[in-house]
Amino acid sequence: NAGVTQTPKFQVLKTGQSMTLQCAQDMNHEYMSWYRQDPGMGLRLIHYSVGAGITDQGEVPNGYNVSRSTTEDFPLRLLSAAPSQTSVYFCASSLRPTASYEQYFGPGTRLTVT
Amino acid sequence: GDSVTQMEGPVTLSEEAFLTINCTYTATGYPSLFWYVQYPGEGLQLLLKATKADDKGSNKGFEATYRKETTSFHLEKGSVQVSDSAVYFCALRSAGNKLTFGGGTRVLVKP
Repeated sequence: NAGVTQTPKFQVLKTGQSMTLQCAQDMNHEYMSWYRQDPGMGLRLIHYSVGAGITDQGEVPNGYNVSRSTTEDFPLRLLSAAPSQTSVYFCASSLRPTASYEQYFGPGTRLTVT
Repeated sequence: GDSVTQMEGPVTLSEEAFLTINCTYTATGYPSLFWYVQYPGEGLQLLLKATKADDKGSNKGFEATYRKETTSFHLEKGSVQVSDSAVYFCALRSAGNKLTFGGGTRVLVKP
């Protein structure tokens, strides 16, 4: 049971490049989400999903796309990277999309856009 | 909208000192409250939680009490260790499963 895994750990992009951050969980969790962490701002929700085929926007969705074709995977796509997207990205999951279920976080992806 | 405010760090302490990190919140309804800890180079781990007023969450010597009257959820530990050096995040969850985080407080414990 690996929990929540994220790849890559580190990535450097040039402005305008595209890439996909991978997130997978092996706990059969319904709920998955993406956050970005910036200094002094805590974590902010980008997108989330309450099940396969269902996604919705969080607090800061602009510049990011997601899809959820399987229960296990929830990739985050940057179509045209911008320096403002330099951040640490965390994926999280929980068994059910309700307040009583703990969210488990992956180890993070540190992204730098030059 | 929902918001969480916590004291800015860094907080520097000596081993065995008493630690308090203040956290206050604004939310509609009756949120659940959480403290997460992030050790260097790692993701966030749930430290403790409280789901209703006057509940006390506790774990690893840390405690926090859900105070609805003061909209607070302050984190305390009576005797910190070097291994407690980390960033601590206060968070709330109201509607659905969306977590709202405070800005984080870095704690450094010196031997």
